[in-house]
Amino acid sequence: GQNIDQPTEMTATEGAIVQINCTYQTSGFNGLFWYQQHAGEAPTFLSYNVLDGLEEKGRFSSFLSRSKGYSYLLLKELQMKDSASYLCAVSNRWGKLQFGAGTQVVVTP
Amino acid sequence: EADIYQTPRYLVIGTGKKITLECSQTMGHDKMYWYQQDPGMELHLIHYSYGVNSTEKGDLSSESTVSRIRTEHFPLTLESARPSHTSQYLCASSEPGGANTEAFFGQGTRLTVV
Repeated sequence: GQNIDQPTEMTATEGAIVQINCTYQTSGFNGLFWYQQHAGEAPTFLSYNVLDGLEEKGRFSSFLSRSKGYSYLLLKELQMKDSASYLCAVSNRWGKLQFGAGTQVVVTP
Repeated sequence: EADIYQTPRYLVIGTGKKITLECSQTMGHDKMYWYQQDPGMELHLIHYSYGVNSTEKGDLSSESTVSRIRTEHFPLTLESARPSHTSQYLCASSEPGGANTEAFFGQGTRLTVV
């Protein structure tokens, strides 16, 4: 099966940087995804890592280490609109996509 | 923009009724998923499909059933709704394998059973 762990909540001020860690265990790894979900809305895709290393997309970067079963999402230059839940999701080789419980990020002025 | 649609968006029904939640996508994706999510809580995978005539149960036990007769359509059915089924149901789809395997989500169906 798959086991995905991430912190429940993080708080940071506007303009700061926040790093959300995710550790996982899975039978056959086929990629790790990060999604953003605002309250009452559907998740939206942020990033995808299948090889080790850092993927950068504007203010958001995601890192993966397959040997350690570890990923992080880095949010830079935080804005109030970044207040949301950030979901780590893992796909196994059979395409089963499972999500972690999510990390609620609260951005304060 | 993702072309995946769920209907209805909101549904309030009485206990014991049979309901079907619709999910359709026009992207030709083989993989489709149903997730259940209570407010402020995590997404739980309840069903997934690799393609036509292929369905599997997820990790969260659910009394619902699904079918995949056509690639674009993945309906979820509750034969006899109960208050414990009150939740948000999210449908998603993705391509098989490759680099672009992000899942696209529908807007969800918020179900209330009274």
